[in-house]
Amino acid sequence: GNSVTQMEGPVTLSEEAFLTINCTYTATGYPSLFWYVQYPGEGLQLLLKATKADDKGSNKGFEATYRKETTSFHLEKGSVQVSDSAVYFCALSDPNRDDKIIFGKGTRLHILP
Amino acid sequence: DSGVTQTPKHLITATGQRVTLRCSPRSGDLSVYWYQQSLDQGLQFLIHYYNGEERAKGNILERFSAQQFPDLHSELNLSSLELGDSALYFCASSESILAGSYEQYFGPGTRLTVT
Repeated sequence: GNSVTQMEGPVTLSEEAFLTINCTYTATGYPSLFWYVQYPGEGLQLLLKATKADDKGSNKGFEATYRKETTSFHLEKGSVQVSDSAVYFCALSDPNRDDKIIFGKGTRLHILP
Repeated sequence: DSGVTQTPKHLITATGQRVTLRCSPRSGDLSVYWYQQSLDQGLQFLIHYYNGEERAKGNILERFSAQQFPDLHSELNLSSLELGDSALYFCASSESILAGSYEQYFGPGTRLTVT
């Protein structure tokens, strides 16, 4: 079945450092890929998404490129801020099925000032 | 603020009891999804309703049930509660029937503690 594997945290970085959170997936067909973010005490928010191979999703300085050849969707940001501290979830769904979004286990990110 | 509301925010109850969690979707959204978030299992999809009809089930126990009412709000009923049911329960809403086509907007969650 479909699944998502993302790097385990926590990840601790200093402010202005470069961020990469790895995500790989297993899926039949052509899933849509997402990154969601969960700030402390809140629900999840969609950060970015990509719906086909080589698409790049971007938002708030974060980027991720849909790589079908490596089945990856790594999240990157060039210069992180303290306010980026949160839990990040990689996820996928089959756009032609109405069932569910499958989430990775989440990666907790701590940014030190 | 996502526009999705969930009540109550916190719930503490004893094993064997039954509780009801409530979710009001964003105005105009017809789809409601329920998720369970726990430390060991991560974020698990439970069930999806679209315009009052059940569309898909995930890892939902038989002790759990849900429904979506004509005004589109949804309730998740958890019965014969066990300690392992302690978790954050989120609902999310979307304008589409397709999980991947449109953004899902998450509510703030209900934290259930079973003692």
